[in-house]
Amino acid sequence: GESVGLHLPTLSVQEGDNSIINCAYSNSASDYFIWYKQESGKGPQFIIDIRSNMDKRQGQRVTVLLNKTVKHLSLQIAATQPGDSAVYFCADTRASSGSARQLTFGSGTQLTVLP
Amino acid sequence: DARVTQTPRHKVTEMGQEVTMRCQPILGHNTVFWYRQTMMQGLELLAYFRNRAPLDDSGMPKDRFSAEMPDATLATLKIQPSEPRDSAVYFCASGLGVSSYEQYFGPGTRLTVT
Repeated sequence: GESVGLHLPTLSVQEGDNSIINCAYSNSASDYFIWYKQESGKGPQFIIDIRSNMDKRQGQRVTVLLNKTVKHLSLQIAATQPGDSAVYFCADTRASSGSARQLTFGSGTQLTVLP
Repeated sequence: DARVTQTPRHKVTEMGQEVTMRCQPILGHNTVFWYRQTMMQGLELLAYFRNRAPLDDSGMPKDRFSAEMPDATLATLKIQPSEPRDSAVYFCASGLGVSSYEQYFGPGTRLTVT
């Protein structure tokens, strides 16, 4: 079936370094891709999204890259801080006539920022 | 600061008991989603509503789970009877509009069935 998956379940980085979290997707019909951050004991929180007709989008300290050729998505966090420690999920969605957009979530990557 | 609220935050119950989880979506949001999160399955969509009407509940075990929206400010997810395999964190999320993919998640209800 169609799915969104992640390459690595865990990632540890030194504080101040850049982090790169990767994601593979299989649904070529997806038109938006979204990254969520989930801190311990909380619900997922929207970070950034990218439309399928773009290959890069930047936010505050975060950049999402989309490579449709290989169906790969990545989230880059610049100057990683302790507050960035969390599980990061990628999700994809596609328009569905008559229905609300559903998100298909990947399995998540645990990012740990080391002091 | 508009946010989705969920009650209770934690629930421990015995197998066979009824469990009701409640969600208050962000005021003005017209789509409500229920998710279940476990280590094994990750985030799974159980059901969702638009303008209080159920659109899809195919992700939900029909024999024991039910989801309703009695009014625009309250969504409920009920499990009867509960089983140990239902132990998970249940999230509610709300969004605005059918075409919007931005979903705002609540803090979740951690359910433990013994």
